[in-house]
Amino acid sequence: GAVVSQHPSRVICKSGTSVKIECRSLDFQATTMFWYRQFPKQSLMLMATSNEGSKATYEQGVEKDKFLINHASLTLSTLTVTSAHPEDSSFYICSARDMDREGFGAGTRLSVL
Amino acid sequence: GDSVTQMEGPVTLSEEAFLTINCTYTATGYPSLFWYVQYPGEGLQLLLKATKADDKGSNKGFEATYRKETTSFHLEKGSVQVSDSAVYFCALTPNSGNTPLVFGKGTRLSVIA
Repeated sequence: GAVVSQHPSRVICKSGTSVKIECRSLDFQATTMFWYRQFPKQSLMLMATSNEGSKATYEQGVEKDKFLINHASLTLSTLTVTSAHPEDSSFYICSARDMDREGFGAGTRLSVL
Repeated sequence: GDSVTQMEGPVTLSEEAFLTINCTYTATGYPSLFWYVQYPGEGLQLLLKATKADDKGSNKGFEATYRKETTSFHLEKGSVQVSDSAVYFCALTPNSGNTPLVFGKGTRLSVIA
């Protein structure tokens, strides 16, 4: 299979705080992980691509200093939303991929008050 | 660049009705094609896929055939159930390189009893 665990599933935080989201591949080693953001009733917007051991590649318009991505191992990538603001409230989804399979996390709903 | 176009929703059907969700794509080379399903409040789950022309992907009564001549990958199900209510995403990925999935905008399906 391609089982991916994403945690937390839901987080509520105050404006100005930082939030870390974890994405783990449970039954395979993911050479690449992708982070997406999904606005209500819209498709997934790719934020960044991360390869294990190297810096993430961010899509145009995504602030790398605000959305910190770390892919320290073949089974774990983290997305940290720094100094979160209400406009960062959204549904964040990760995916993990190796050569021939890809799995998606269940998503994290972030609400910034 | 590569793109996916799928019919806009929402689609509302009565239980046991026939479902078709159209999907066409634009891509260089020979992409793999996917249908993902997203149930309310959850992440994406792979529904089915096809990796080459004329392949038919199938799962849970859903089917889609990779049509290279019409660049299409329409999703069909003969008899929908209330539990099929979800958002369906058509997606593609090139068969070379480690590029992310390209998603359509999603089609919301509501099945009423």
